[in-house]
Amino acid sequence: GQQLNQSPQSMFIQEGEDVSMNCTSSSIFNTWLWYKQDPGEGPVLLIALYKAGELTSNGRLTAQFGITRKDSFLNISASIPSDVGIYFCAGRSGSARQLTFGSGTQLTVLP
Amino acid sequence: DGGITQSPKYLFRKEGQNVTLSCEQNLNHDAMYWYRQDPGQGLRLIYYSQIVNDFQKGDIAEGYSVSREKKESFPLTVTSAQKNPTAFYLCASRAPGGAYIQYFGAGTRLSVL
Repeated sequence: GQQLNQSPQSMFIQEGEDVSMNCTSSSIFNTWLWYKQDPGEGPVLLIALYKAGELTSNGRLTAQFGITRKDSFLNISASIPSDVGIYFCAGRSGSARQLTFGSGTQLTVLP
Repeated sequence: DGGITQSPKYLFRKEGQNVTLSCEQNLNHDAMYWYRQDPGQGLRLIYYSQIVNDFQKGDIAEGYSVSREKKESFPLTVTSAQKNPTAFYLCASRAPGGAYIQYFGAGTRLSVL
């Protein structure tokens, strides 16, 4: 089946720093989604990407749909303590009937 | 307001016991999903349902069962056959359209006594 490789697995950063994480796929995706999960809660959709090369922002978050259609990137600028959580990428190829999820990036923001 | 409600938030299971996790949505979505999440791991698909009275096994269906008698409800039963049930369980529903965007409930944490 499809596989998503998400990296890094975890990050420890200082408050105010920028953050980058990415996902790569073994197959071409038509949709890329980025979710954030707070501790003990369900994931919440942050950004949805629908075509290759697309760059979309949501406040301090920016995500890009890679031009090869096999990768996606999420950047967080000027991190704050409430950015702490697990960030998941998810995607879907044209033939799949459900999403494939990455294993998540655990983000810790140090004061 | 619209959303997905999972209950209970915390659940404890004794040896040999079946337990049922509730998932209700008022988003009028056709498709619903159950995922299992273990510490440090991603989401693994247990079962999904595209429409009422129909459901399919996901990647880790053994030891679990589901039903879909109503559009709003997709309960998950963790049976005694599931030998390692301790995990965080997430229910999701999917919005119409080709993007397959899923919306999640707040989760149920199941532990074994």
